[in-house]
Amino acid sequence: QSVLTQPPSVSGVPGQRVAISCTGSSSNIGAGHDVHWYQQHPGRAPKLLIYGNNNRPSGVPDRFSGSKSGTSASLAISGLQAEDEADYYCQSYDYRLSVVQVFGTGTKVTVL
Amino acid sequence: QLQLQESGPGLVKPSETLSLTCTVSGGSISSSSYFWGWIRQPPGKGLEWIGSIYYGGSTYYNPSLKSRVATSVDTSKNQFSLKLSSVTAADTAVYYCARQGSGWYYFDYWGQGALVTVSS
Repeated sequence: QSVLTQPPSVSGVPGQRVAISCTGSSSNIGAGHDVHWYQQHPGRAPKLLIYGNNNRPSGVPDRFSGSKSGTSASLAISGLQAEDEADYYCQSYDYRLSVVQVFGTGTKVTVL
Repeated sequence: QLQLQESGPGLVKPSETLSLTCTVSGGSISSSSYFWGWIRQPPGKGLEWIGSIYYGGSTYYNPSLKSRVATSVDTSKNQFSLKLSSVTAADTAVYYCARQGSGWYYFDYWGQGALVTVSS
């Protein structure tokens, strides 16, 4: 059971803006630890999408953006495209049980 | 371009030890800027971090798996390895190796994944 909670699914039409939340607690996001986001297409390895809350690796379109506030973080996709249909996971650090990396529960984005 | 590739048996019997190796190419595993991690994903489920190792041998593991996990690094072969003991069907998953930044802890390069099934 993950300590980072995401909505199971989010959907939108092409061109729309959608957002995915990642809700944590005072022992992870709320403690100031960075949040990273990954995109995973079926049968493929996850791909780093956002690191350090709001930074995009080279090659990631600027349609993807991240933010963090309090005990939550959010990934926004503006100008939704068909190829954005995938699973998305957040990741952070949690110190409750020693040093631990934790992933969110995952969100399936569907492009209608 | 950095590449990672997992290798190992795709079928392991219950109570035995799962062993996987990750071969790194296009870069050195001895870089001081990175950890090298293992992440798994049961069929149809989410990602679970297993543990990470530094080239010098320092390790940190998911507390829920710590008693059964061991990792090692072979800098001469540019490889790192995972051993998970006393496996059960619940350990059936795709196992990924990945490079992890030692400052921000994100995983920026991933292997393609290796499906390991635990079954008699």
